[in-house]
Amino acid sequence: KAGVTQTPRYLIKTRGQQVTLSCSPISGHRSVSWYQQTPGQGLQFLFEYFSETQRNKGNFPGRFSGRQFSNSRSEMNVSTLELGDSALYLCASSPGTGYHQYFGPGTRLTVL
Amino acid sequence: DQQVKQNSPSLSVQEGRISILNCDYTNSMFDYFLWYKKYPAEGPTFLISISSIKDKNEDGRFTVFLNKSAKHLSLHIVPSQPGDSAVYFCAASDNTDKLIFGTGTRLQVFP
Repeated sequence: KAGVTQTPRYLIKTRGQQVTLSCSPISGHRSVSWYQQTPGQGLQFLFEYFSETQRNKGNFPGRFSGRQFSNSRSEMNVSTLELGDSALYLCASSPGTGYHQYFGPGTRLTVL
Repeated sequence: DQQVKQNSPSLSVQEGRISILNCDYTNSMFDYFLWYKKYPAEGPTFLISISSIKDKNEDGRFTVFLNKSAKHLSLHIVPSQPGDSAVYFCAASDNTDKLIFGTGTRLQVFP
């Protein structure tokens, strides 16, 4: 099976812009989660979608949003970018609760 | 509020010896714990997990121990190999798909 894929792999934006990141889960996986990784903070949970519904949400401002499509593909959007949004954004998929998550390679976002 | 803590940012171990990575948590609702390994420019890769109903789980060279009363888990790698050099994250969940990660421990295995 193909693994979790994320596009683009690298992105450079300026403050105030918005960005959309894409994630294609492993075939058959219905749960998609998003995490932000920054130096010293580890991986922080953003949100999780299952069958197009947001099931869990982390402690991030409303500028961070996401959605999931009927084919389980997911997108994450960050509006009004700030310098502190520079991070590695990781997507993970799983068949559902009780299974471990499989991670994609991440999208490295740099905000200038 | 860091619910999962890895207090050692780095660890250096000689090849062939045991590597012990530690993790502490504060939320008693956590019932499932995982270890992930991460190489640069790659996403984390699942290593091993343990349910709160167990106190030990083994998979080849990797063993995870859970001490619920101390809210502590550890990952033992025996014997350590140079290819094990990576950043190791512990994570916990409370029967949801929301994983809470520690800040990671960088393991270096030298010859």
